[in-house]
Amino acid sequence: QKEVEQDPGPLSVPEGAIVSLNCTYSNSAFQYFMWYRQYSRKGPELLMYTYSSGNKEDGRFTAQVDKSSKYISLFIRDSQPSDSATYLCASLSGGYNKLIFGAGTRLAVHP
Amino acid sequence: DAGVTQSPTHLIKTRGQQVTLRCSPISGHKSVSWYQQVLGQGPQFIFQYYEKEERGRGNFPDRFSARQFPNYSSELNVNALLLGDSALYLCASSLDIVAPPYGYTFGSGTRLTVV
Repeated sequence: QKEVEQDPGPLSVPEGAIVSLNCTYSNSAFQYFMWYRQYSRKGPELLMYTYSSGNKEDGRFTAQVDKSSKYISLFIRDSQPSDSATYLCASLSGGYNKLIFGAGTRLAVHP
Repeated sequence: DAGVTQSPTHLIKTRGQQVTLRCSPISGHKSVSWYQQVLGQGPQFIFQYYEKEERGRGNFPDRFSARQFPNYSSELNVNALLLGDSALYLCASSLDIVAPPYGYTFGSGTRLTVV
């Protein structure tokens, strides 16, 4: 079983839609949970991170973590074509020296 | 400020050959980690180097090796290339051996194609 599981999609939505991206994880020791955005032919860039359970909001983006169900979510409101990318969920290992990624979900927002 | 730079950006190799990929971390960063991202998958941890010593290794065969130089740049070597080694190889640098999520910065990667 992979430590972080993510539905690879792809996901195609119209501009302005609300997008929901989800992951699950298996290691109860994980404390940091991250969402990365990766454009084609680029490295991942950190979009948001949360520590332990709870919500975090940054503009049109909201990250949620439910440690009781080991569920990680990212919501994108008023999606834009520029949001089209692959979104990777990830956790930080207990030693804080290794990033553990899900498979990534490819998102396409069409005008 | 220069970010993490990787070279070459892409290359094509034949099965059985050897390849060397290079990474220059952000100035001041002493730790370099290597990740392999196969098409359609998330990045997988290969190595972490800190102060020229290997400090972490993922589940990869001995054909994969790396080293870090006194200026903190790093090389990843892969011997006896297999078709399955075709992937985007990412380098991430951090200030220290451990870091919070915002402490890791990725380069754009080297796309390796093995034919």
